Amino acid sequence: ETGVTQTPRHLVMGMTNKKSLKCEQHLGHNAMYWYKQSAKKPLELMFVYNFKEQTENNSVPSRFSPECPNSSHLFLHLHTLQPEDSALYLCASSQDRAGGPTDTQYFGPGTRLTVL
Amino acid sequence: GQNIDQPTEMTATEGAIVQINCTYQTSGFNGLFWYQQHAGEAPTFLSYNVLDGLEEKGRFSSFLSRSKGYSYLLLKELQMKDSASYLCASMDSNYQLIWGAGTKLIIKP
Repeated sequence: ETGVTQTPRHLVMGMTNKKSLKCEQHLGHNAMYWYKQSAKKPLELMFVYNFKEQTENNSVPSRFSPECPNSSHLFLHLHTLQPEDSALYLCASSQDRAGGPTDTQYFGPGTRLTVL
Repeated sequence: GQNIDQPTEMTATEGAIVQINCTYQTSGFNGLFWYQQHAGEAPTFLSYNVLDGLEEKGRFSSFLSRSKGYSYLLLKELQMKDSASYLCASMDSNYQLIWGAGTKLIIKP
C-alpha cells in the first residue's frame, strides 16, 4: 500500500448505528486530518492530529469522535448521526504543520457516507 | 473573516489555455495551494506558492501576488482528462488551510 488509504469507501448507516472510519498513511508523515466535503461547499476541517496529539477540533458535534493511536493511523467513530451528516469524509496527512511546502496535504480516496 | 473566492464553473476547449483565478483573505499567510479533484476522487496536490511570481510545472503554472491577495492556475494545451474541479486553499497563520469551494472545469472537444 502506498499513500493514504481509507476504509470503507462507501457506508450506509441508520441514525442509531455506530460505525468507524479508518485512515492509514504510508508516507511517514507526522500530521493527520479529517475533512468533511459536501457538494458545492468548501472542504470543512474537522480534526487535526500532530504527533498523535489532537491540536484542533473545529466545533464538530460530539457524535463524531476521532482517535489517533499512532502517527500512521486515524479513526473517526460515528454514532447517532443525522441525515445532514451525509457527505464525503476525507482523510489527509502532511509531513509537518510548521508553514511551508512540507505542510502539503495528501488525501485518501474518502468514505462516501449516507445516513438514512 | 477568512475567505477564498474562485469561480464556480468554467468551460474551455480541448487544446486551448484556461486561467482559473482565486482571491484570498486570511489571517496571516503561509502559502497558497492548488489541488485537482476529479469527480468521486480525492483532491491531488498541484502546486504551492509562497513567494510572488509564476511557478511552472509542465502544462500547469501557478501565479501568486501577495499584495493583491490573488493567485491563478494556468492550464495549457487542455486535454479532456483535465475536466475536474480545481481547489484553491490559503494557509493562515495557524497553519490551517482555508479552502475555496472549487472551480468545476468543463473541457469540450
